[in-house]
Amino acid sequence: RKEVEQDPGPFNVPEGATVAFNCTYSNSASQSFFWYRQDCRKEPKLLMSVYSSGNEDGRFTAQLNRASQYISLLIRDSKLSDSATYLCVVNKAGANNLFFGTGTRLTVIP
Amino acid sequence: NAGVTQTPKFRVLKTGQSMTLLCAQDMNHEYMYWYRQDPGMGLRLIHYSVGEGTTAKGEVPDGYNVSRLKKQNFLLGLESAAPSQTSVYFCASNKWDSPSETQYFGPGTRLLVL
Repeated sequence: RKEVEQDPGPFNVPEGATVAFNCTYSNSASQSFFWYRQDCRKEPKLLMSVYSSGNEDGRFTAQLNRASQYISLLIRDSKLSDSATYLCVVNKAGANNLFFGTGTRLTVIP
Repeated sequence: NAGVTQTPKFRVLKTGQSMTLLCAQDMNHEYMYWYRQDPGMGLRLIHYSVGEGTTAKGEVPDGYNVSRLKKQNFLLGLESAAPSQTSVYFCASNKWDSPSETQYFGPGTRLLVL
């Protein structure tokens, strides 16, 4: 079983739509959770960390469900500039390393 | 600050040739990582380093070697390149004061092995 699993998409949504991505992780001892964004042919960049209580950054909301071992990302009022691949990332329990999901591709259509 | 830089940006090798990828960071980060990214596979950790003079194996270390002689540099070597090593290679670094510390990535090196 993969450490982190995501629906690869693609998700094609119109501008202004709300879209949600989910991700599941296999190790219940993982402590740190992130969403990274990767534009085509570019490096991944941190979008936001995911905290147990849930957190919001503008149009982006991240949630963590430890009991079910899944993480979600909600994007409201989608913009064309949100088109990218979103990577779910989980730390390796007890180690310095991160596990990356394969990414969910989002295209926002005018 | 330049952040994390990688050299070269793109390279074509023939099977059996060797090369070294250079990663440099100017953020005084202790931890550095080498990943490869392949379609449908996501980012996979090749080797990492928790400080100058230290290295450790990641998820897919076979066929690669690394060195961290200076804190700011992390080198990835391919002694005898194979077509299976065609990939995009990303270097990353972070402080790792806590498990929630994010990683900063370089722009990537695209390698094609013929």
